[in-house]
Amino acid sequence: AQSVTQPDIHITVSEGASLELRCNYSYGATPYLFWYVQSPGQGLQLLLKYFSGDTLVQGIKGFEAEFKRSQSSFNLRKPSVHWSDAAEYFCAVGDGRDSSYKLIFGSGTRLLVRP
Amino acid sequence: DVKVTQSSRYLVKRTGEKVFLECVQDMDHENMFWYRQDPGLGLRLIYFSYDVKMKEKGDIPEGYSVSREKKERFSLILESASTNQTSMYLCASRRLAGGAYNEQFFGPGTRLTVL
Repeated sequence: AQSVTQPDIHITVSEGASLELRCNYSYGATPYLFWYVQSPGQGLQLLLKYFSGDTLVQGIKGFEAEFKRSQSSFNLRKPSVHWSDAAEYFCAVGDGRDSSYKLIFGSGTRLLVRP
Repeated sequence: DVKVTQSSRYLVKRTGEKVFLECVQDMDHENMFWYRQDPGLGLRLIYFSYDVKMKEKGDIPEGYSVSREKKERFSLILESASTNQTSMYLCASRRLAGGAYNEQFFGPGTRLTVL
């Protein structure tokens, strides 16, 4: 069955430091992969998505992610974290046919930013 | 601007009550989804609807039902609320045309407490 694993429940980084959030997926075919962010009290917002082509994907707010098929990973990175990046981050893999296309989410990683 | 709204941000109900959670989107999207979000479990799909009057069970449909009489509105119903249904409920919508490339847009969530 398709699944997504985010091995880090919490991560704390200092403001200005680099960030990498890990995501591993299990999927039989070529995966469609997404990263969403949830700020406190908010719904989820799409950061970036990958379907095919260049394995390094650029997103909003200075985030990028790299798809590595050999490692079944889609890690999210940011070179310099800002205090406003403190939030919960979810990785997801797409599943299904077009008409009933669903997302399978990981359990999330909560990012704390030290001043 | 894309918008998904949910009828309440916070809701407190008693065990055994019938509870309605309403979601409205203004983007003319065909697909709509209901998730519940619990700490450490990420988002789990309860039900989704791929078009008006169409519905399909997600991963955790037990204790829930849904209604989609109009394209813009998707209701989640707890027939007899129980304390284990205390959770954050998130609604999302997605355009069908364009297939898997389309992202899901999320509402702000309803935090339901069942006493």
